[in-house]
Amino acid sequence: NAGVTQTPKFQVLKTGQSMTLQCAQDMNHNSMYWYRQDPGMGLRLIYYSASEGTTDKGEVPNGYNVSRLNKREFSLRLESAAPSQTSVYFCASRGGRGTETQYFGPGTRLLVL
Amino acid sequence: GQQVMQIPQYQHVQEGEDFTTYCNSSTTLSNIQWYKQRPGGHPVFLIQLVKSGEVKKQKRLTFQFGEAKKNSSLHITATQTTDVGTYFCAGDSTGNQFYFGTGTSLTVIP
Repeated sequence: NAGVTQTPKFQVLKTGQSMTLQCAQDMNHNSMYWYRQDPGMGLRLIYYSASEGTTDKGEVPNGYNVSRLNKREFSLRLESAAPSQTSVYFCASRGGRGTETQYFGPGTRLLVL
Repeated sequence: GQQVMQIPQYQHVQEGEDFTTYCNSSTTLSNIQWYKQRPGGHPVFLIQLVKSGEVKKQKRLTFQFGEAKKNSSLHITATQTTDVGTYFCAGDSTGNQFYFGTGTSLTVIP
């Protein structure tokens, strides 16, 4: 039982390059989330998926797209990376509305040059 | 949009002293969660508060939810070096979208 896994752990991109961050959970959770964490800003929600087949914008969705591939997997795509997207990205999952805990993955550290 | 403010941003205490962090929301919350993040780590869930005026305790940690459900606090009694990390509150008013506070970074001096 791995919980929430994320790949890659680290990535360096050049401005304009694209990449996909992968997230998977093995807890049979309905809801999954993508956050970014910047110094002094806390965690900000990019996109979330309340259930398989649905996705919704969070607080800072511009420049990102997501895919809820199946119940286990939720990917985040940067189509044309910008230096402002340098951040630590966390994926999280939760059992569903009214279920308390969000379980976070280990994070992906992204540097855009 | 909804905002969740958290103070202080940093706190340095001597081991054995108490510590408190405060969280304030611009809107009424349905519930609030608290997380701890160790340096270089990921956020780990501590607790959720749902009821107006609710108080919950976990050993040396005391969590409170305000009567108006717009503010919350986390108090640690007699801090230990294992308490080091950043503490975040996360407020939810929609049922599925959490707004995190900016966090309070706690340093405990042995």
